[in-house]
Amino acid sequence: DAGVIQSPRHEVTEMGQEVTLRCKPISGHNSLFWYRQTMMRGLELLIYFNNNVPIDDSGMPEDRFSAKMPNASFSTLKIQPSEPRDSAVYFCASSLNANEQFFGPGTRLTVL
Amino acid sequence: KQEVTQIPAALSVPEGENLVLNCSFTDSAIYNLQWFRQDPGKGLTSLLLIQSSQREQTSGRLNASLDKSSGRSTLYIAASQPGDSATYLCAVFSDYKLSFGAGTTVTVRA
Repeated sequence: DAGVIQSPRHEVTEMGQEVTLRCKPISGHNSLFWYRQTMMRGLELLIYFNNNVPIDDSGMPEDRFSAKMPNASFSTLKIQPSEPRDSAVYFCASSLNANEQFFGPGTRLTVL
Repeated sequence: KQEVTQIPAALSVPEGENLVLNCSFTDSAIYNLQWFRQDPGKGLTSLLLIQSSQREQTSGRLNASLDKSSGRSTLYIAASQPGDSATYLCAVFSDYKLSFGAGTTVTVRA
């Protein structure tokens, strides 16, 4: 299996622009998680999907952030409008029935 | 809210020495605990998963123990090698989410 796939790997954008991050979970996994990692706050869960349904989005910072999972093999995290404080590494992870989580390589986002 | 603490924050040892990494958590009502490794600028690699009903889990030179009642887990790495240099993260799964510690950064000197 190719593991969790994320794109793009790096994104540099200007403040106010829309950013879309993409994730393809491991085939057969039914849970998908979006995390954000910063030096100041470490790893934080943003949102969790189970069987394509958002279960817990309490970690989403504000309305500028939205996430979708239209099918079992694809999810997006969108930031609109982006701000410099959104600069971080965003990870997607997947698991089967809330067991061992497998992480993607991450997207390094820089907002200028 | 689940709080996860890892001590020490950093560790430097000579090659061949055994490593002991500690993790503590505040809420013992966990589903499982997972140890990860993260290399600089890279993603997280899962090392070991311990279910809440288990006391320990082993994989090669790695052994992780879990004492749920006291809210502690320990990762042992035997006969450390320079390639073991990385940040090790402990994560506790409860309330449908993983809560992470800040990690222990390990340097193994050749």
